[in-house]
Amino acid sequence: DGGITQSPKYLFRKEGQNVTLSCEQNLNHDAMYWYRQDPGQGLRLIYYSQIVNDFQKGDIAEGYSVSREKKESFPLTVTSAQKNPTAFYLCASSFRGEQPQHFGDGTRLSIL
Amino acid sequence: KNEVEQSPQNLTAQEGEFITINCSYSVGISALHWLQQHPGGGIVSLFMLSSGKKKHGRLIATINIQEKHSSLHITASHPRDSAVYICAVRSQETSGSRLTFGEGTQLTVNP
Repeated sequence: DGGITQSPKYLFRKEGQNVTLSCEQNLNHDAMYWYRQDPGQGLRLIYYSQIVNDFQKGDIAEGYSVSREKKESFPLTVTSAQKNPTAFYLCASSFRGEQPQHFGDGTRLSIL
Repeated sequence: KNEVEQSPQNLTAQEGEFITINCSYSVGISALHWLQQHPGGGIVSLFMLSSGKKKHGRLIATINIQEKHSSLHITASHPRDSAVYICAVRSQETSGSRLTFGEGTQLTVNP
């Protein structure tokens, strides 16, 4: 079955370390997105990519980086510059244009 | 003020009750989405609307473009409907498929 796979489900990071969250999709979707979810807040867009080798900053890109070398993959790196990285991170994908987004099951990142 | 506001924030119902969750937005939109987030965190898309009404099983979504308002109704609610329901809009002014999300409505249906 097609879908989006995020790994790991839980991730712990020491202060000062970079960590990379994985997102893979086999839906042949062109566009991929990373969101951050904090308690009591709506999802906020970190980065998105509409095509391979191209990506744009979302509303809260500071302290994060991404790459889109393959259509299927859109990894997110949380760098040490992100001062408050503890959150739930969701990856999504869609066909370009006016299409619903499909979501992964998320990765919960915590700081040790 | 958020571009997308949902009400209520929390809702508790008894099994069998009719449930309504509301979403108001302040920008011109090309589409509105209703999403369901399970307790484990995964999100499922329920509806995408640009006008009128859609129905899927016990779920009904309506939108009034002039009033900038949408509702999600659940008929004959069941404990398995317990989840967070999220409204999201695609603004006419944004590029790509970017969405702006409401904060969500936590629904609990008791047996």
